[in-house]
Amino acid sequence: KQEVTQIPAALSVPEGENLVLNCSFTDSAIYNLQWFRQDPGKGLTSLLLIQSSQREQTSGRLNASLDKSSGRSTLYIAASQPGDSATYLCAVRRGSGNTGKLIFGQGTTLQVKP
Amino acid sequence: GAGVSQSPSNKVTEKGKDVELRCDPISGHTALYWYRQSLGQGLEFLIYFQGNSAPDKSGLPSDRFSAERTGGSVSTLTIQRTQQEDSAVYLCASCRDPKGNEQFFGPGTRLTVL
Repeated sequence: KQEVTQIPAALSVPEGENLVLNCSFTDSAIYNLQWFRQDPGKGLTSLLLIQSSQREQTSGRLNASLDKSSGRSTLYIAASQPGDSATYLCAVRRGSGNTGKLIFGQGTTLQVKP
Repeated sequence: GAGVSQSPSNKVTEKGKDVELRCDPISGHTALYWYRQSLGQGLEFLIYFQGNSAPDKSGLPSDRFSAERTGGSVSTLTIQRTQQEDSAVYLCASCRDPKGNEQFFGPGTRLTVL
């Protein structure tokens, strides 16, 4: 059974810091991995999608890496801003089957202090 | 274009009542998912629809939960005889790719069962 773990559960940093959020998964047979952002009381916003054949994806100040063999992904946020404060979720899609259902981690709640 | 929409945004009901939650996916997206986000459980897959294929109901927690998707577009999640443990945020997602690539989420319906 695929399990997804995110560490740390919560993180507080001063504005301007670079930071790394971690995601690990137990079954390396994944189809892709997706990072989401969730603001309080809101739905999920997709940040980055990494296919199983890719090593990383970048969007603006965000960079996500994937090491399938070790079951790990990281989300790197450069020059953090107070507006980055949110909960970040990673989710993996299984390698087999066509349903595409996602298995989520519990999330990392980030607070960026001005 | 419009994103995934869900209604109502909030629903408070009494234990034992039935509730219906609605999801309007992004136009042209053939795959539709329901997830549940509850405290302590994180985000869990409930059900998946793809075109005219039989839905994947493997995530539904009990037979009190059912869902349908009419005309390959709008979906309704029904919970019968609600229990307090059904209190959660119910999120809907859709994606263009039938194999479930990038999923786009709605804002969710917050259900509170008193």
